[in-house]
Amino acid sequence: NAGVTQTPKFQVLKTGQSMTLQCAQDMNHEYMSWYRQDPGMGLRLIHYSVGAGITDQGEVPNGYNVSRSTTEDFPLRLLSAAPSQTSVYFCASSYSIAGLYGYTFGSGTRLTVV
Amino acid sequence: EDKVVQSPLSLVVHEGDTVTLNCSYEVTNFRSLLWYKQEKKAPTFLFMLTSSGIEKKSGRLSSILDKKELFSILNITATQTGDSAIYLCAGPRRDDKIIFGKGTRLHILP
Repeated sequence: NAGVTQTPKFQVLKTGQSMTLQCAQDMNHEYMSWYRQDPGMGLRLIHYSVGAGITDQGEVPNGYNVSRSTTEDFPLRLLSAAPSQTSVYFCASSYSIAGLYGYTFGSGTRLTVV
Repeated sequence: EDKVVQSPLSLVVHEGDTVTLNCSYEVTNFRSLLWYKQEKKAPTFLFMLTSSGIEKKSGRLSSILDKKELFSILNITATQTGDSAIYLCAGPRRDDKIIFGKGTRLHILP
């Protein structure tokens, strides 16, 4: 049982480059979210999805796009990377209403933008 | 605005000490409060609290919720160096988005 799989684990980008962080879960979870974690800031919600075809913005959505074409996958796109996007990114999923079931987290992607 | 506030932000104690971590929240349409432990990688789930006054326990860790005061504590007794981690508190908002506090960084000295 793979759970939540994030790729890549590490990435270095140059300012202005684009890339996609991949997230896949095999638990048939409806809810999926992307968080970024910066020192002293806790986890901040970027985007989330309550099911295939439905996405919504979180606390810090600027500079990121998401789509949810299938239940399993929830990729996060950086269209034009900026140094302010240097962070650790976590994907998380939940069976249903996230507040009742908690989250399962992926292992994270450490992104550095130079 | 919904928010989750944790205190202290960092804590250093000696092995064997007991620690209490605090979490206060202002979340409309409250459903639950969640505690996570984060070591080197992803947060791992500890507790989900939905009812006031009912303590949840797992070994040396316990947690309780006070819905009237909008407050939760996480206790760790007889701390060990393996308890060193960031402890995160989280609560779902009215729109089902889960928001996290900034975390308490706990360091246990041998």
